[in-house]
Amino acid sequence: AAGVIQSPRHLIKEKRETATLKCYPIPRHDTVYWYQQGPGQDPQFLISFYEKMQSDKGSIPDRFSAQQFSDYHSELNMSSLELGDSALYFCASSSIVAGGPGTQYFGPGTRLLVL
Amino acid sequence: AQSVTQLGSHVSVSEGALVLLRCNYSSSVPPYLFWYVQYPNQGLQLLLKYTSAATLVKGINGFEAEFKKSETSFHLTKPSAHMSDAAEYFCAVSGRDFGNEKLTFGTGTRLTIIP
Repeated sequence: AAGVIQSPRHLIKEKRETATLKCYPIPRHDTVYWYQQGPGQDPQFLISFYEKMQSDKGSIPDRFSAQQFSDYHSELNMSSLELGDSALYFCASSSIVAGGPGTQYFGPGTRLLVL
Repeated sequence: AQSVTQLGSHVSVSEGALVLLRCNYSSSVPPYLFWYVQYPNQGLQLLLKYTSAATLVKGINGFEAEFKKSETSFHLTKPSAHMSDAAEYFCAVSGRDFGNEKLTFGTGTRLTIIP
């Protein structure tokens, strides 16, 4: 079965640079979520989109922005990178079903290292 | 607001022994509850979920969990541990309504299997 695709899988950037992470949801999934997992930490919710509109927002820094496109893929844009942004960034997708939110399926993650 | 607490950041069991990973939740509304597993350098894989049907939920790889409202618990069990079960396990909670479906994770439990 098709899974969530994230690219790139690994990314190395310098401080103050920008980065763009991409997420391709499971076909026919309409909702995308972004999570950040620091070293040895649990995943923290950043932001989500449903049908190309922001549906919820968590602890996402102002330096980060995200959007969902007409083909439902999503991009997380990160500017003025800091050392503390080094983390594993997960994308998850789901489909809103009758009676409530669907199960979130996670991609393999993008490992970002800021030097 | 919703939260989960995982008791025990590290659990070690012998191969063939019972696995018990503890999770307690806090939620002002009936929650959805999940267990995810993360192998080293990999993404999050759904083990099982509770969405208000049967209180005893069976998942993949022989795992199951029981929702106990009176104890606000959702502990994960497996009758007989296998070496391949060694991983990080996360309990997570979400709301049921649109716009409230983000996952809030516990701090994780690292399961070690002793040969």
